[in-house]
Amino acid sequence: AQRVTQPEKLLSVFKGAPVELKCNYSYSGSPELFWYVQYSRQRLQLLLRHISRESIKGFTADLNKGETSFHLKKPFAQEEDSAMYYCALDSGNTPLVFGKGTRLSVIA
Amino acid sequence: GAVVSQHPSWVICKSGTSVKIECRSLDFQATTMFWYRQFPKQSLMLMATSNEGSKATYEQGVEKDKFLINHASLTLSTLTVTSAHPEDSSFYICSARDYEGAGYNEQFFGPGTRLTVL
Repeated sequence: AQRVTQPEKLLSVFKGAPVELKCNYSYSGSPELFWYVQYSRQRLQLLLRHISRESIKGFTADLNKGETSFHLKKPFAQEEDSAMYYCALDSGNTPLVFGKGTRLSVIA
Repeated sequence: GAVVSQHPSWVICKSGTSVKIECRSLDFQATTMFWYRQFPKQSLMLMATSNEGSKATYEQGVEKDKFLINHASLTLSTLTVTSAHPEDSSFYICSARDYEGAGYNEQFFGPGTRLTVL
């Protein structure tokens, strides 16, 4: 069965500090991994996906198949990055499997 | 990107009444839509997968008779909470996939509907 684990419920960092939101997955096939973000009072929206290897709002995430991880990183956190972040796995024609989410709080 | 809308954005109802929530894909056709429930400061919990023209697929523990899902067209799915009770109060979110052919298909989310049952 597919599973996505986000071990941290809450992560607090100071503005300008590096950020790493952890995500590990369990899936026997070749996964597609995503990071979604939900800002306060806004809808869930796609932040980035591993297949595009993009950098969105300074965030990057590398799929590490050996460690089955897809950690989200940003070198310098900004206050506007404060939000809920969800890691998600797509195993094909099925609903996305979401982790429980990590709330990032960037302190000024 | 594609847009998914929900109506209403919030609703307050009395215990025992039924409430219908609509989910529409505005600029694409969605053969599959998903309904989630989100409790305060918690993750999304998938309730059911809504398939156009066929019965919805419910997740374990979700009452089919309680949460009626209809996917009448390629752009509309509805969730009806029947005989609502205070414990049904929650944030309900729908999403739809915009298939781009083989490979990647992004899932777009509606803004959610906050249901409060008195």
